[in-house]
Amino acid sequence: GIQVEQSPPDLILQEGANSTLRCNFSDSVNNLQWFHQNPWGQLINLFYIPSGTKQNGRLSATTVATERYSLLYISSSQTTDSGVYFCAVERGLLTGGGNKLTFGTGTQLKVEL
Amino acid sequence: DTGVSQDPRHKITKRGQNVTFRCDPISEHNRLYWYRQTLGQGPEFLTYFQNEAQLEKSRLLSDRFSAERPKGSFSTLEIQRTEQGDSAMYLCASSPSEGQGARETQYFGPGTRLLVL
Repeated sequence: GIQVEQSPPDLILQEGANSTLRCNFSDSVNNLQWFHQNPWGQLINLFYIPSGTKQNGRLSATTVATERYSLLYISSSQTTDSGVYFCAVERGLLTGGGNKLTFGTGTQLKVEL
Repeated sequence: DTGVSQDPRHKITKRGQNVTFRCDPISEHNRLYWYRQTLGQGPEFLTYFQNEAQLEKSRLLSDRFSAERPKGSFSTLEIQRTEQGDSAMYLCASSPSEGQGARETQYFGPGTRLLVL
């Protein structure tokens, strides 16, 4: 099956700092989503971004599908940004992947005052 | 639109007991998914429904696990003869089907935390 690798695995930031999280995937994908999992376990949708660039407030994401990676940018980080960030991909029915998301192992982010 | 809901949020059971979880998807979503997440890992796919049809099952879904979506609305996931290794967070997600726009985006519920003693 498709492999999804995220880096770094852990990240500690001072409030106000910027960061870049990376997601590499091993095959072409039909769907790519970024999630934030809060301390209570809720997965919060950040971006649906199989290709291109999107921005939402202090967060932005870029996926370069031809090179099989995606980046999540967090600017002016806040303590409420703490949690685990997951990248998840779906290969799609036509490429034999079905309709399931395959998740990376996540980046654990801690933002300190 | 109240989002995906799951019940119960927490379940503690003894090894060997049966448990059942419920998921209510976003009302206009035809696709419903179950995932399992263990500590320190990303969620792993278990099974997927398109309306009432169960279209795909993971090898993780042993014969002790069964999922249903009888009327194409809510879904249940039952685990029979629970084992300590079943302890995990069970997540449900839903998405629109093709032709409904943003068809691939999956929205997740809050999960059910299962602890098997």
